[in-house]
Formats: sequence, C-alpha cells, structure tokens
Amino acid sequence: NAGVTQTPKFQVLKTGQSMTLQCAQDMNHEYMSWYRQDPGMGLRLIHYSVGAGITDQGEVPNGYNVSRSTTEDFPLRLLSAAPSQTSVYFCASRGGTAPNSPLHFGNGTRLTVT
Amino acid sequence: GESVGLHLPTLSVQEGDNSIINCAYSNSASDYFIWYKQESGKGPQFIIDIRSNMDKRQGQRVTVLLNKTVKHLSLQIAATQPGDSAVYFCAENAGGTSYGKLTFGQGTILTVHP
Repeated sequence: NAGVTQTPKFQVLKTGQSMTLQCAQDMNHEYMSWYRQDPGMGLRLIHYSVGAGITDQGEVPNGYNVSRSTTEDFPLRLLSAAPSQTSVYFCASRGGTAPNSPLHFGNGTRLTVT
Repeated sequence: GESVGLHLPTLSVQEGDNSIINCAYSNSASDYFIWYKQESGKGPQFIIDIRSNMDKRQGQRVTVLLNKTVKHLSLQIAATQPGDSAVYFCAENAGGTSYGKLTFGQGTILTVHP
C-alpha cells in the first residue's frame, strides 16, 4: 500500500512551458485534491475532486487544470508556466464522503519556473 | 475571508519537556479540526483530529484541546523527543457547503534540543 504517490519530485520549467504533475493513490479514496505550499502562506487549495468525473475549483485555481478520469489518478496541468507558480505542490486524498476525516498527503513536487 | 492562524511561529523545547502549540481560528461554523506534522522534504502527516462537539481528544503522547468559546485549538505533546522536531499545522473544515475544503494555518516550527 503506497498511499499517495506524486511524480516528479523536482521539476524546473521555463516560463511558458507546460507540464503535468502526476498524483496516484491506491487507497480507493473518492476525494482527491491539490494544494500548493509557499513560505508564509500555508497550504492553499488549488482544485479538488469528490469522485471520478467530478472536479471543482479551490482557493487558487487560476493557471491550473485538472481532470479525474479514474478514482486512482488526479493529474494537475500547468498550461503555461509562470514564475508565480514556483512552489511545492501536494496532492492529498481522503476516503469516504464525510468531510470529517483527515487528508492523506503525498511527499510533494518542488516546481521552479524560471 | 475566514482564516486559521497560529500564535507562535517557533517553539524550542528541551527533550523530555511537554510542548504546547496553539492555533486560533475565526470561523465559528468550523466543525472539524486537524493537526498535521510536516518534516523537511515530506508531505504533512496526520497527527490527531477533533470534531466540534468535543473539547478534548487524546492520542499517543498527543492531546488536542478545543475551546469553541474563544475559538482556540491547541496541540500538547508529552515528553517531547528530537523526532518531534517539525512544522506543525492546524487545519479547519468550515462545514456546510465548504465540504472538504480544509483551511490551513501557516505553521509552527517546533525544535527539540537533546
């Protein structure tokens, strides 16, 4: 049971490039989400999904797209990277439909946009 | 908007001492609270949670206290060990239509000296 797996661990992009951050979980969790973590800002929600085929915006969705074609995978796409997207990105999942259960986090992807 | 904050950004203790990390929240509708521990280079790890219908919950060496009157949350770590050194975050779920949208505080850095 690997939990939440994120790839890559590190990535450097030039401004304007696109890329996809991968997230997979093997816990059969319905709920998945993406956060970004910046110094002094805490963790901020980008997008989330309550099940396959359903996605919604979080607090800071601009510049990011997501899709949820399977229960296991929840990729995050940067269509045109900007320096402001330099951050550490965390994927998290939660089992069941009740909000009163903890999120399980991956170990993050550290992204630098030059 | 509503936010979760921490009173102390850093806390240094001696090994064996008890540690108390505090968190203030402003959303009176929040119905679920979580404490996370984040070690360097890793994702946040669930420590303990508490629902708003409780005022205390204990785990292994950890206790969370919730005071809804003053909107205050604390994490107590007994017999603190060097392995407890990390950043600790509190998070709240606002309940209602804010399903699954945890709001995180900025974090407190706990340093344990041997």
